[in-house]
Amino acid sequence: EAGVTQSPRYAVLQEGQAVSFWCDPISGHDTLYWYQQPRDQGPQLLVYFRDEAVIDNSQLPSDRFSAVRPKGTNSTLKIQSAKQGDTATYLCASSFGGRSDYTFGSGTRLLVI
Amino acid sequence: QQKVQQSPESLIVPEGGMASLNCTSSDRNVDYFWWYRQHSGKSPKMLMSIFSNGEKEEGRFTVHLNKASLHTSLHIRDSQPSDSALYLCAASTNSAGNKLTFGIGTRVLVRP
Repeated sequence: EAGVTQSPRYAVLQEGQAVSFWCDPISGHDTLYWYQQPRDQGPQLLVYFRDEAVIDNSQLPSDRFSAVRPKGTNSTLKIQSAKQGDTATYLCASSFGGRSDYTFGSGTRLLVI
Repeated sequence: QQKVQQSPESLIVPEGGMASLNCTSSDRNVDYFWWYRQHSGKSPKMLMSIFSNGEKEEGRFTVHLNKASLHTSLHIRDSQPSDSALYLCAASTNSAGNKLTFGIGTRVLVRP
């Protein structure tokens, strides 16, 4: 079974630049999560979807971050104008039926300088 | 918002020794606790979950849960250098859509 695929693996930006992260969940998993993990900290939920619907985006900085999952499969997380404080690993995870036994992707490491 | 507190922040264990990690939630509605392990530069991988009072053992790993105090602990016996990693505790609540709320983790170093 293929796992959760994320790209790119790494991104280096200057402040003010935009970046998009892409996630392909496990086939058949209807629930998709985006987490932000600063260095040496635990993952913090940004947003999650059930199929194409946003279920919870309360922790997503809406002025600069956006996330979509238009067909209920792949998802894109975008940072419009990156800040140094956005430096972190961005993890995508998926599960079936909203179960908590997530499978995580390998993450995208973002460095904003 | 639910908080998950983990202790200690870091732990050094001799090879073959026992590592004991603690985790507490502030949300009385928590239904499940989860333990994930994250090796450096890798994604978190689920180790074990527990939802009922008592103890659960899988190989060298044992998890305890006290629902009254919302406290869970993870014990690793006969620790190996490959157990060196960040151990993340997470909690989920059925009424909140089962999304995982993670603690900051305990970094374990097993010294040969």
